[in-house]
Parts: sequence; C-alpha cells; structure tokens
Amino acid sequence: ETGVTQTPRHLVMGMTNKKSLKCEQHLGHNAMYWYKQSAKKPLELMFVYNFKEQTENNSVPSRFSPECPNSSHLFLHLHTLQPEDSALYLCASSQEAQREGYEQYFGPGTRLTVT
Amino acid sequence: AQSVAQPEDQVNVAEGNPLTVKCTYSVSGNPYLFWYVQYPNRGLQFLLKYITGDNLVKGSYGFEAEFNKSQTSFHLKKPSALVSDSALYFCAVRDDWGGNDMRFGAGTRLTVKP
Repeated sequence: ETGVTQTPRHLVMGMTNKKSLKCEQHLGHNAMYWYKQSAKKPLELMFVYNFKEQTENNSVPSRFSPECPNSSHLFLHLHTLQPEDSALYLCASSQEAQREGYEQYFGPGTRLTVT
Repeated sequence: AQSVAQPEDQVNVAEGNPLTVKCTYSVSGNPYLFWYVQYPNRGLQFLLKYITGDNLVKGSYGFEAEFNKSQTSFHLKKPSALVSDSALYFCAVRDDWGGNDMRFGAGTRLTVKP
C-alpha cells in the first residue's frame, strides 16, 4: 500500500463517546500533521510531529489528543466532542516538518459527525 | 506571519478554454508556494510548487503556475481545461523567515463545463 492512509473513512459518534482516528504513511517521511477541514473555511492546522516529537499545537481543545508512536503512524484520540467538531479530518506527511519547500502528502480524510 | 488569499470562490470555464485560478500571498521573508487539488471525498493532492528559480513552474496534469514577486501572486493556469479538472483548488504558502507553518487559502471551486 502506498501514500497516506486513514481509517476509518467515516465516523459518527455521540458527544460522550471516545474514539480514535488512525493515519499511516508509507512514504518514508519524518513529519506528520493533523488538519481540520470545515465547509467554507481554510484548512486548520491542528498538530505537527517531526521525528515523533510534537512541534506544534495550534490551540486545539484538550478533547483532541494526538499520539505519534513512530514516524509512520499518527493517531487522533477523541473524547467528549461537540457538534461543531464535525468536519473532515485530514492527515498529511512530509519529508520534514515545516522546512523549506517540502510539500505535504494528504490522506483521504475521516469524515466525522458528532451527534 | 504568512497569509494567502484566493479571491474567487468559484471559477467557471468551458472545456477547451484556458483556465486561471488566482492566488496572492503575503510573507515576511521569501515565499515557498504550493498548489493542491481536492476531488470529492478525497484528500488534497499536490500539483506543483515554487521554491526558487524560474518563475514559471510546471506541474501535474498539464497545470502550471507563474510566480510574480512584484504582484505577490502565484496564479494557477492550464491552456486547455478538461471536465475532469473540476475540483477544489488550494493555494498554500510557507515563509522562510520564522513561523514556518504552511498556510492554506480558503479554496476555489473550479467547474469546467462541456
């Protein structure tokens, strides 16, 4: 399997549930990212990991908790979410984080609906 | 801090006609500029980038973009549009002077009509 994969592709959860999103990259990259994409809004960068170390947390509420056990895997743990958290959550990877001209490669996303 | 603007929410062109999707940027240092495309129910797909060198950059699927430093623009172009080019296009910028987050524009929806 190549590129960046994300599971699940769709997730419906209640506000009291706990769930996790998974991302895996097969590109040999050292950096991984979580973005939130909401309708009619620019992509929001949530978290950045570079060589497994978190280097960015863009004021994301604590109900979102990232985990990066190695350079190929990234998780987003979700608990007590709000309806406004419903969005497409995109994972991306790049050679290194936020360096020079490295482009990012995106997974297909997880469509999250909070009821 | 860097920022990017895509002034058009929607661009409509006829198949076979040239297309342009506009992007302007603001940075403190030198810009690294990117274009991505997003098809329905898919993630963003990298099209092309400008780092340095020639102002005209060629990318995937026949797309190209022109870097214009004086106008702080990086418009995406294609000489002859295809119906299959219909998608959401994002411009992104990274500043080489501190704060190296990649900033994305809000996106432009391109519709190519037969």
